[in-house]
Amino acid sequence: GENVEQHPSTLSVQEGDSAVIKCTYSDSASNYFPWYKQELGKRPQLIIDIRSNVGEKKDQRIAVTLNKTAKHFSLHITETQPEDSAVYFCAASPLISNFGNEKLTFGTGTRLTIIP
Amino acid sequence: DTEVTQTPKHLVMGMTNKKSLKCEQHMGHRAMYWYKQKAKKPPELMFVYSYEKLSINESVPSRFSPECPNSSLLNLHLHALQPEDSALYLCASSQGPGEHYGYTFGSGTRLTVV
Repeated sequence: GENVEQHPSTLSVQEGDSAVIKCTYSDSASNYFPWYKQELGKRPQLIIDIRSNVGEKKDQRIAVTLNKTAKHFSLHITETQPEDSAVYFCAASPLISNFGNEKLTFGTGTRLTIIP
Repeated sequence: DTEVTQTPKHLVMGMTNKKSLKCEQHMGHRAMYWYKQKAKKPPELMFVYSYEKLSINESVPSRFSPECPNSSLLNLHLHALQPEDSALYLCASSQGPGEHYGYTFGSGTRLTVV
């Protein structure tokens, strides 16, 4: 099955600086890679995702890059703000023809702290 | 309505109790999921329902019993749980078919087994 590794486990950056979180996956069949943000005591929320036919995707201050050959993908947050402080999870899944059989495998999470 | 609603938000139960967790979505999503999340850990998949049929059971102990009465509802029946089953139980749904549109998670039920 799929195995997703995520680094670093904790990350502290000064407000206004950039933060980068990296994930690697093992299953070459995986072709969907979402990122979730989870604030303390709250639900995981999808912040950005990327499919394998795209190498980079950007949404305002957040971007994700994917290198299918190396089987790694990264989350980039620019101009960080205190409200970016949360746990971030990467995930990977294959797209399978029998809809509903997709299994989303999560990375171990990164606790991001923005220092004011 | 773009939400997944879970009830109750908190539940304390004894090891001999029977209780149920409920999940509801009205987005027309055809896949629904139960995840278990322990503190400081990622969510772990338990069950997947696709078009109201159980499609994945991740070798979950039989003391957890899922049910999908219709396309909008998902239940998780609990019986004879152990203290180590205490966790946040998350329900999620997704659209499809044939392509991911991302999961929408509910706020979860925080379960404590005493």
